[in-house]
Amino acid sequence: AQSVTQLGSHVSVSEGALVLLRCNYSSSVPPYLFWYVQYPNQGLQLLLKYTTGATLVKGINGFEAEFKKSETSFHLTKPSAHMSDAAEYFCAVQGSWGKLQFGAGTQVVVTP
Amino acid sequence: DGGITQSPKYLFRKEGQNVTLSCEQNLNHDAMYWYRQDPGQGLRLIYYSQIVNDFQKGDIAEGYSVSREKKESFPLTVTSAQKNPTAFYLCASSITGEGWNEQFFGPGTRLTVL
Repeated sequence: AQSVTQLGSHVSVSEGALVLLRCNYSSSVPPYLFWYVQYPNQGLQLLLKYTTGATLVKGINGFEAEFKKSETSFHLTKPSAHMSDAAEYFCAVQGSWGKLQFGAGTQVVVTP
Repeated sequence: DGGITQSPKYLFRKEGQNVTLSCEQNLNHDAMYWYRQDPGQGLRLIYYSQIVNDFQKGDIAEGYSVSREKKESFPLTVTSAQKNPTAFYLCASSITGEGWNEQFFGPGTRLTVL
């Protein structure tokens, strides 16, 4: 069975500072990993995904994530936070039948 | 434009009443999913369907029912048996097959039971 742990339910960053959101997973098979973003009262939008190949994955809005098999991690980063990055972020691992197992989410607050 | 629509966006019901949430997609996806979102708990899978006229229970199916009579539609009924129905409900769809399958999400329905 797959599972996902996101460390930190809330993260506060200053505008222009590094954004780092942590995600650790467990999976009995090579994982497909996803990061989604959710703005208030909206659905989820895919930021990026790791399937196979290059372990550093680039996504939309300047975000990237690195798959580290030895650490079972898939942390999300952005070098310079923008006010528009304030949202909730979810890490997910794909299981059988395409089902997604989500982490509990990390709320990002960006301060001026 | 292709996408997923959910209606209504906000829904209020009295305790003890059944309520049906709509989900429609025009992406020609075979698979559809219903998730429940509560603060601090992420998204939890209620039901999913890989093909028309077939569906399976997810992790928290008790108190919910679904149907899949058409490829485009996957309505969710929240029954009076659901003990704590107030939540944000999200519908998603994807292609099926081996390998990774990106799920596309609708805008959600916020259900409040009074």
